Amino acid sequence: GENVEQHPSTLSVQEGDSAVIKCTYSDSASNYFPWYKQELGKGPQLIIDIRSNVGEKKDQRIAVTLNKTAKHFSLHITETQPEDSAVYFCAARSLSGYNKLIFGAGTRLAVHP
Amino acid sequence: KAGVTQTPRYLIKTRGQQVTLSCSPISGHRSVSWYQQTPGQGLQFLFEYFSETQRNKGNFPGRFSGRQFSNSRSEMNVSTLELGDSALYLCASSADSSNEKLFFGSGTQLSVL
Repeated sequence: GENVEQHPSTLSVQEGDSAVIKCTYSDSASNYFPWYKQELGKGPQLIIDIRSNVGEKKDQRIAVTLNKTAKHFSLHITETQPEDSAVYFCAARSLSGYNKLIFGAGTRLAVHP
Repeated sequence: KAGVTQTPRYLIKTRGQQVTLSCSPISGHRSVSWYQQTPGQGLQFLFEYFSETQRNKGNFPGRFSGRQFSNSRSEMNVSTLELGDSALYLCASSADSSNEKLFFGSGTQLSVL
């Protein structure tokens, strides 16, 4: 069935460093890939998304890249700040199931001052 | 514009009881999805409703059910609660059936004793 694998499960960086989170999806028909940030006690918040007809998208310090051939997509955070500390989830939209979103297991990012 | 509202925020039940959780989507949004979040399993898809019709259902037992009303508000019900049902239940809404730009509520934290 549909599956999204996310790595790493935990990531620790120093403030100012870059952070990269990678995801792999199984459904080759997937065409939409959002990223969510979840802070403690809150629901996931959409931070950036990309469609399959685009290879890269950037929004200030956050960027997402997509490799459709390899079925990989990645989140890049530059110049990390302590407030970037949270759990990040990738997801892929499955066309085979009425646009159902399949989520990765999450990455806990810790940014140390 | 108000976000997705979930009530109650916290709930404590005992095994064998049933529970009903409520979700009010963002005004104008017609699609409502429910997810179960646990530390070990991440975000697991429960079901999705669009215009009062269930479009998708995840791999959960029949004890988990839901419905959507004509005003797009949604409820989910869990009958005969088990200890393993303890989790954060998240509701998310989107404007249309594409499920792009999915907005999450803060969730209902259910504890089953």
